[in-house]
Amino acid sequence: GAGVSQSPSNKVTEKGKDVELRCDPISGHTALYWYRQSLGQGLEFLIYFQGNSAPDKSGLPSDRFSAERTGGSVSTLTIQRTQQEDSAVYLCASSSRTELSYEQYFGPGTRLTVT
Amino acid sequence: QKEVEQNSGPLSVPEGAIASLNCTYSDRGSQSFFWYRQYSGKSPELIMFIYSNGDKEDGRFTAQLNKASQYVSLLIRDSQPSDSATYLCAVKGARRGGSEKLVFGKGTKLTVNP
Repeated sequence: GAGVSQSPSNKVTEKGKDVELRCDPISGHTALYWYRQSLGQGLEFLIYFQGNSAPDKSGLPSDRFSAERTGGSVSTLTIQRTQQEDSAVYLCASSSRTELSYEQYFGPGTRLTVT
Repeated sequence: QKEVEQNSGPLSVPEGAIASLNCTYSDRGSQSFFWYRQYSGKSPELIMFIYSNGDKEDGRFTAQLNKASQYVSLLIRDSQPSDSATYLCAVKGARRGGSEKLVFGKGTKLTVNP
């Protein structure tokens, strides 16, 4: 079946512009996560959605970052007034959150470059 | 103290050898532990998860967990050049307010030399 998809795959933007990154999770997965990965670094947690519960926003680095998940499916991560330090690969993952496995399936990522 | 720590490497082993990857974590209430493999330019993929103390084997991979020492490791037997990748350790902490996020280490880069 279809995996997690993300768009765009690459985004180059000028400093100060706003960007929107989209994630389509695997159908039926109730949990959705956003991470970012800078060059040579591990995954930095940004935000987590689980069903209709309030999202865990504890990883968002500043108030320029926000995310929505509409209808329990598609999610959009918005970065306002982008800065050069926002350049990274933004990864989305989804999970069915079963009792035995907590596998997060990752999308291919969006590579964001802020010039 | 970082929540999940891994030796960044690079770790280099000859083909056919055992590769040993280590991870320590700070949250004593952590419940679940995961090893992801990430090839260069690709997304992470899950290769092992473990919940209970002891060893868990899956093919050439063995995960080892010691909750008392807050230590989890991954052994790769008969290492192959195709195992060359970055291995990410991830930990799911004790449930707080319903959130169940994973905390990732920075990863260990493994190179298996033919």
